Amino acid sequence: SQQGEEDPQALSIQEGENATMNCSYKTSINNLQWYRQNSGRGLVHLILIRSNEREKHSGRLRVTLDTSKKSSSLLITASRAADTASYFCAKGVYGQNFVFGPGTRLSVLP
Amino acid sequence: GAGVSQSPRYKVAKRGQDVALRCDPISGHVSLFWYQQALGQGPEFLTYFQNEAQLDKSGLPSDRFFAERPEGSVSTLKIQRTQQEDSAVYLCASSLGSQDFSGNTIYFGEGSWLTVV
Repeated sequence: SQQGEEDPQALSIQEGENATMNCSYKTSINNLQWYRQNSGRGLVHLILIRSNEREKHSGRLRVTLDTSKKSSSLLITASRAADTASYFCAKGVYGQNFVFGPGTRLSVLP
Repeated sequence: GAGVSQSPRYKVAKRGQDVALRCDPISGHVSLFWYQQALGQGPEFLTYFQNEAQLDKSGLPSDRFFAERPEGSVSTLKIQRTQQEDSAVYLCASSLGSQDFSGNTIYFGEGSWLTVV
């Protein structure tokens, strides 16, 4: 399957700590997008990183992409209780539809 | 509108009933996607439209599922003779460009929660 996998499946940290989630994939990609989903809500786009990029930042979020290892990571620094959500990566492959993994469920404890 | 709008937000259907879920994409967006998300799982692709053309319907789970986008804007996902396994969140998404994956962000609606009893 070309579906990438996020790991860990679940992550529980204390407020103020950093959270790192990983996404792996099997086929070459054009880009990779990270999304957040709060319970009972739709997906919110966080960051898009293209295959020729290695790192992107947005506020407390940092995404890296290692095409040689076919993996990406999402780092949330100084986490807050409001960051509690599920995080998904979606792989963009030319001519194919975005494929989502099962997600990482992040719990940030106050 | 400012975002992707879906209705109804919640739907309870009796088994065997037909349902119709509506999606209003962001104005001017060429691409429209439907995804199905079971509880605790990631979204699973159902179908893709480029304007009014349904270019990919490979994810539709059975012939009870039908989607249309007749004028290239609003889309409707119809499920006939609903079954309990159809219970899920149905997410609609749109993006500005066509399906070339050159970097178009996909924007999601809040979803339509379907429960079949």
